Amino acid sequence: AQSVTQLGSHVSVSEGALVLLRCNYSSSVPPYLFWYVQYPNQGLQLLLKYTSAATLVKGINGFEAEFKKSETSFHLTKPSAHMSDAAEYFCDVSDLTGKLIFGQGTELSVKP
Amino acid sequence: GAVVSQHPSRVICKSGTSVKIECRSLDFQATTMFWYRQFPKKSLMLMATSNEGSKATYEQGVEKDKFLINHASLTLSTLTVTSAHPEDSSFYICSARDPWGSGSYEQYFGPGTRLTVT
Repeated sequence: AQSVTQLGSHVSVSEGALVLLRCNYSSSVPPYLFWYVQYPNQGLQLLLKYTSAATLVKGINGFEAEFKKSETSFHLTKPSAHMSDAAEYFCDVSDLTGKLIFGQGTELSVKP
Repeated sequence: GAVVSQHPSRVICKSGTSVKIECRSLDFQATTMFWYRQFPKKSLMLMATSNEGSKATYEQGVEKDKFLINHASLTLSTLTVTSAHPEDSSFYICSARDPWGSGSYEQYFGPGTRLTVT
């Protein structure tokens, strides 16, 4: 069965600093991988997705993620954090039925 | 992009009553919709997969008689929480897939419904 592990339930960075949110997946077949962001009391918004077209995926709001098969990782990065980036981030993998398998989430805090 | 709406955004109901939550795909037809439940500071838990014109598929441990799902059209799925109890209080989120889009299993999420049972 597929699974996703997000390392660190809470990450805190200073404004302007690099953001790195870690995600490792377990999959026996090339997966579809996603990063979603959730702001308080809202639904989820897609940041970016990996669908095997390119290993480095660029998303919205300056985020990007790199698919590394050898490491089974799909870490999310942003060069310079903004206060508005404070939110909950979910790494997900889609199984063959189209269901999303969610990671446990990482709360990102941005300090001024 | 594809838009999914939910109604209501917030609802408070008394214990023992039923409440219906609607999920609509506004600019695409969704043959498959998903219903999630999210506890505070927790990830999303898939409750069921809703397929248009057929019975929903419930995840293990989810009571299908308590959480009634209807997907009568390609743009509307409803979740009815029957005989609600305080422990049903939660944030309920729906999502939809656009089978003719280029989403590659991407799901579009609604804004969520906050249910409080008193």
